[in-house]
Amino acid sequence: DVKVTQSSRYLVKRTGEKVFLECVQDMDHENMFWYRQDPGLGLRLIYFSYDVKMKEKGDIPEGYSVSREKKERFSLILESASTNQTSMYLCASSLIGGSNQPQHFGDGTRLSIL
Amino acid sequence: GNSVTQMEGPVTLSEEAFLTINCTYTATGYPSLFWYVQYPGEGLQLLLKATKADDKGSNKGFEATYRKETTSFHLEKGSVQVSDSAVYFCALGPSGGGADGLTFGKGTHLIIQP
Repeated sequence: DVKVTQSSRYLVKRTGEKVFLECVQDMDHENMFWYRQDPGLGLRLIYFSYDVKMKEKGDIPEGYSVSREKKERFSLILESASTNQTSMYLCASSLIGGSNQPQHFGDGTRLSIL
Repeated sequence: GNSVTQMEGPVTLSEEAFLTINCTYTATGYPSLFWYVQYPGEGLQLLLKATKADDKGSNKGFEATYRKETTSFHLEKGSVQVSDSAVYFCALGPSGGGADGLTFGKGTHLIIQP
């Protein structure tokens, strides 16, 4: 089974801090994704990556950046955390190969910015 | 752009009732369609998928058929159990066949009462 591991289940940070969320997958997937999940809004794509050192903006990239230095690891960075970034963050990965490849999700990181 | 519309709920049913969760979509091309399930405190798990028109995806007693003519992918189960209580997400794969993220509906919260 594919395993996507997010480094923290719960995280509390302060406004203005630089925050790192880490994600590791163990199935040699080419594609990796970061979403945020908010009540009433569903999941929204922040960034994705289809290869090492490659990144593409999703629907809501403002205030975030990403890093993919190794194939198995995809990091989400909040450059200067703000209270409106309090949310559940979900990482996912998938094989390359088009629309019919399902994405496999981690358990999520619930981030609170105080 | 692509979009997914699903009933948000909560949907409350008694055990052994018949379940339908409606999902309709707008898309360019013919993307794959997915249903994901999220149990409390967990990430999303793939429930089933369909990759082309008239395909039926099925898993754990759940079924959904890719209807191109009505742009729908409704989720059904003949007899629900308390353990089916969760949030269900309908999702659309990228139309271009590339590595882009999924487009999700806002999720339907399902509550099954004994």
